[in-house]
Amino acid sequence: GAGVSQSPSNKVTEKGKDVELRCDPISGHTALYWYRQSLGQGLEFLIYFQGNSAPDKSGLPSDRFSAERTGGSVSTLTIQRTQQEDSAVYLCASSLYGQGFFGPGTRLTVL
Amino acid sequence: GESVGLHLPTLSVQEGDNSIINCAYSNSASDYFIWYKQESGKGPQFIIDIRSNMDKRQGQRVTVLLNKTVKHLSLQIAATQPGDSAVYFCAETVAGGATNKLIFGTGTLLAVQP
Repeated sequence: GAGVSQSPSNKVTEKGKDVELRCDPISGHTALYWYRQSLGQGLEFLIYFQGNSAPDKSGLPSDRFSAERTGGSVSTLTIQRTQQEDSAVYLCASSLYGQGFFGPGTRLTVL
Repeated sequence: GESVGLHLPTLSVQEGDNSIINCAYSNSASDYFIWYKQESGKGPQFIIDIRSNMDKRQGQRVTVLLNKTVKHLSLQIAATQPGDSAVYFCAETVAGGATNKLIFGTGTLLAVQP
C-alpha cells in the first residue's frame, strides 16, 4: 500500500525565487498537515486541512507561505520570494482517525 | 507556532538500559495520544498509541503510560539498543472531534551509548 509521498525530495533554490512542494496523502485520508523542521529542532506546525472545512493556517510564518489542497487529495505548499531562513525540511502528514502518517519530507535549501 | 525554535532535549543512555522519555501535553480534552520515532533523514514513524480510557499500553519493548491527572505521557523502552537512537515525539488529539488536529510536543533526542 502506498504511504504519503512528497516531491521533490530535495530542492535547492536561490533567494527570491518561488518554490512549490507537493504532498500526495494516503488515499481516503481526510486530514492533511504541513510541518517544518529545522536541523536539530522539533516540528513547527504550518497548516492543517480537514475535509471540506476551512484550513487552519495559524502556523504559516508569513504571507509568503500558502498552501492548497485540490479535490481533497494532493496538497501544494508554495513559498514565494524564498529567504535563507526558509531552509528546512518540510514534512507532510495525512490521517483519517487521528493517527498521522508522515511522508519522507522535502529538504529545501535556499542559497 | 507550535514547537518552534526549541533545541531538542537529549536523553543519553547505555545500551541495554531502559529508557524513559517524558511528555507533558496541553489539552485536557485530548483523548488520543501517539508516540513517534524519527530517525535521521526520515519522517516521523508511528510507534505506539493510547486512548484516554487506558493508563498503560504495551508493545514490543515499548510501554506508554498516561497520567491524565497531571497531563503527562511517558514512553518506556526496554533494553535500549543502538537502533533506538532517534528523536521521539509525543502527539495529542481529540479523536473524533470536529478537527482532530494533531498537536506535537517538542521532541526528545535519545542517544544510545554502546
